[in-house]
Amino acid sequence: DAEITQSPRHKITETGRQVTLACHQTWNHNNMFWYRQDLGHGLRLIHYSYGVQDTNKGEVSDGYSVSRSNTEDLPLTLESAASSQTSVYFCASSPAGDYGYTFGSGTRLTVV
Amino acid sequence: EDQVTQSPEALRLQEGESSSLNCSYTVSGLRGLFWYRQDPGKGPEFLFTLYSAGEEKEKERLKATLTKKESFLHITAPKPEDSATYLCAVDTSGTYKYIFGTGTRLKVLA
Repeated sequence: DAEITQSPRHKITETGRQVTLACHQTWNHNNMFWYRQDLGHGLRLIHYSYGVQDTNKGEVSDGYSVSRSNTEDLPLTLESAASSQTSVYFCASSPAGDYGYTFGSGTRLTVV
Repeated sequence: EDQVTQSPEALRLQEGESSSLNCSYTVSGLRGLFWYRQDPGKGPEFLFTLYSAGEEKEKERLKATLTKKESFLHITAPKPEDSATYLCAVDTSGTYKYIFGTGTRLKVLA
């Protein structure tokens, strides 16, 4: 069965370190997204991609970057982790058309 | 500024006690409105897409409706397994980028 997987599920890192969160989908979806979820803010868009070599900034992109070298993967990199980036991160993918997102199970990141 | 507001923030129901969750939106243009269910520690799960005022969608005990300013998620005779956070999102531009509300935490008591 097709799926979207995120790794790791939990991560603790120190302020200033570079961190990469993985997202891999086997749905063959062109559209992929990274959101963060915080109490009181809901889900906020960080970066998104409509296909290979395409990346775009979302609402809260400062301090984050993504790359899209193939259809299946959209890794999210925190260049220099900050305490404000402690959050739960969700990756999602969607096909063309209005079918809604398929979300991964999330990565809980703690920056200490 | 485009905005999505969900109410109430939290809702406790007895099993079998029907109710509605509200999602109001102020956006420049509505391409689609989406409802998701999220269980603790998991990613949101897609429920419905609504496109135009007057449209309704149903799935088991859930029915979603849409007007020009808001959407309702009606839960009929809920069961404890319906306990979850329900999220509403809108696509204003047809670009697949959604604006999410902060959700309604539903607890159904046996």
